[in-house]
Amino acid sequence: KQEVTQIPAALSVPEGENLVLNCSFTDSAIYNLQWFRQDPGKGLTSLLLIQSSQREQTSGRLNASLDKSSGRSTLYIAASQPGDSATYLCAVCHNQGGKLIFGQGTELSVKP
Amino acid sequence: GAVVSQHPSWVICKSGTSVKIECRSLDFQATTMFWYRQFPKQSLMLMATSNEGSKATYEQGVEKDKFLINHASLTLSTLTVTSAHPEDSSFYICSARKGGLNEKLFFGSGTQLSVL
Repeated sequence: KQEVTQIPAALSVPEGENLVLNCSFTDSAIYNLQWFRQDPGKGLTSLLLIQSSQREQTSGRLNASLDKSSGRSTLYIAASQPGDSATYLCAVCHNQGGKLIFGQGTELSVKP
Repeated sequence: GAVVSQHPSWVICKSGTSVKIECRSLDFQATTMFWYRQFPKQSLMLMATSNEGSKATYEQGVEKDKFLINHASLTLSTLTVTSAHPEDSSFYICSARKGGLNEKLFFGSGTQLSVL
């Protein structure tokens, strides 16, 4: 059974700092891995999707890496801003039916 | 990007009533939609996978007679919580896939259900 774990559960940093969020999964047989952002009481916004054959994806200040063999992914946020404050969720696309299995999320707070 | 619309955003109902939540893909056809449930400070738990024109596939532990899912068209899936009870109070989110398995999932804005 696929299990997805995110560390840390919560993170507070000062504005301008670079930071890394971690995601690990137990079954490496995945189609892809996706990082999402969720604001309180809202739905999810897709940030980056990494195909199983890829090592990383970049979008603006965000960079996500994938090491499928070790079951790990990281989301790097450069020059963090207060507007980055949200919960970040990683999810792996399971090889059965294409459903997403989510981690518990990392609650990020960027203080001005 | 693709847009998924979910309604209502929030609903308060009395115990024993039924509540219907709609999920629409506005600018693409979604052969597959997913329904998730989220408790406060917790992650999303997949409830069921909804395929257009066929019966939904429910995850283990999810009562299919309580959470009725209908995927009548390529742009609309509905979740009906029947005979709702306070323990059904939760945040429900739908998502839709635009293409194949390596395509992104797009999520609705969620529905906060409170059962009194």
